[in-house]
Amino acid sequence: GAVVSQHPSWVICKSGTSVKIECRSLDFQATTMFWYRQFPKQSLMLMATSNEGSKATYEQGVEKDKFLINHASLTLSTLTVTSAHPEDSSFYICSASPPPQGRTFFGQGTRLTVV
Amino acid sequence: GDSVTQMEGPVTLSEEAFLTINCTYTATGYPSLFWYVQYPGEGLQLLLKATKADDKGSNKGFEATYRKETTSFHLEKGSVQVSDSAVYFCPPQNFGNEKLTFGTGTRLTIIP
Repeated sequence: GAVVSQHPSWVICKSGTSVKIECRSLDFQATTMFWYRQFPKQSLMLMATSNEGSKATYEQGVEKDKFLINHASLTLSTLTVTSAHPEDSSFYICSASPPPQGRTFFGQGTRLTVV
Repeated sequence: GDSVTQMEGPVTLSEEAFLTINCTYTATGYPSLFWYVQYPGEGLQLLLKATKADDKGSNKGFEATYRKETTSFHLEKGSVQVSDSAVYFCPPQNFGNEKLTFGTGTRLTIIP
């Protein structure tokens, strides 16, 4: 079945540095991918919609200059957390749906810890 | 927009107990309904789904029935196991709309 893979699974970085998270669709092409952030009490918040070949669409309240999204190919979207701070520490999850749209597949998630 | 209300957790049960996790939704159109499960430290996996009223989705002993009249999709399992400990989500989704709306999820802990 369709698989969405995220990398890395976890990362620790120092405050002020940038971190890149990759989301790949392994056996299908995804013109759209989604990035979610999961807060400590487990709610999933949609951050942005990643669109292949065009700018990402950010949800209200999400800083686009802070969370840079690049969807340069039909199988890869990247989320870069720029100038990371401890409050950016969280679990980030991506998702995509192979055509025809219906079932959604999620990446394994990335645990980001900023120290 | 779409929204979902889930039973507040955490839910703690003994092994072999009966499980019900309530889920009600608000959505435009005629959405498909899903239950996703998130095991510790992992992403979300599809547990089961139903695409139309009165459909019953089932998997791994879990069941949920699409109740259009009450806009609900409650998850049930007759005898839970320790390995069922996870967080459960029930987002509605309309065909053609890849964006999912999640509630807070329900954390389930099964004790031996």
